[in-house]
Amino acid sequence: QVLLQESGPGLVKPSETLSLTCTVSGGSVTSGTYYWTWIRQAPGKGLEWIGYIDYSGETNYNPSLKSRVTISLDTSKNQHSLKLTSVTAADTAVYYCARDDSGDWYFDYWGQGTLVTVSS
Amino acid sequence: QSALTQPASVSGSPGQTVTIPCTGTRSDIGGSYDYVSWYQHHPGRPPKFLIYDVTSRASGVSDRFSGSRSGNTASLTISGLQAEDEAFYYCASYTTNFHVAFGGGTKLTVL
Repeated sequence: QVLLQESGPGLVKPSETLSLTCTVSGGSVTSGTYYWTWIRQAPGKGLEWIGYIDYSGETNYNPSLKSRVTISLDTSKNQHSLKLTSVTAADTAVYYCARDDSGDWYFDYWGQGTLVTVSS
Repeated sequence: QSALTQPASVSGSPGQTVTIPCTGTRSDIGGSYDYVSWYQHHPGRPPKFLIYDVTSRASGVSDRFSGSRSGNTASLTISGLQAEDEAFYYCASYTTNFHVAFGGGTKLTVL
């Protein structure tokens, strides 16, 4: 059973950097052909794909966020992380980490999600 | 504004069949790839994976849920509607820009 759990600050000030971590249990972040993904949902809005890092460390980001996003892998802790710089109120959302199995562009396991509010 | 278009809401009575459309373009749903998926979302819980590759059901998903595609529109059909089906439903598709687009979500109400 694969479990994903997001963690990080629930409140970030405007212009600062949002940092979240996803801890993976029940499997290794470097095994298989997994693509470790971040997805967010702003209040009252739909889901938005942020990007992924694959098992080898290759990344791919949503073009609308690409200039501000970094996703990285920490194999020693079996985690992957999201950094989003220069945040504004528009980045307030529930952030989910998810797994794309085999790079087939669907997400079979999701974390519970964590709300991040951007406010001074 | 979402890249894929879904109706904001649909409704049906228990036992009925409802269909939720998801409209895109030739750059995503109507393209040569079969990477369309569907998710059920009860607020406060993580989304649940339902359908992948347009028509394939995820492991453990009831056969009351089925997916299809015609041209630039994918559809999720739920038959034998049950009270626990009341939720938000999201479609997603690979795009030729090498990323994923989601629909805006559809609220299903079971009357």
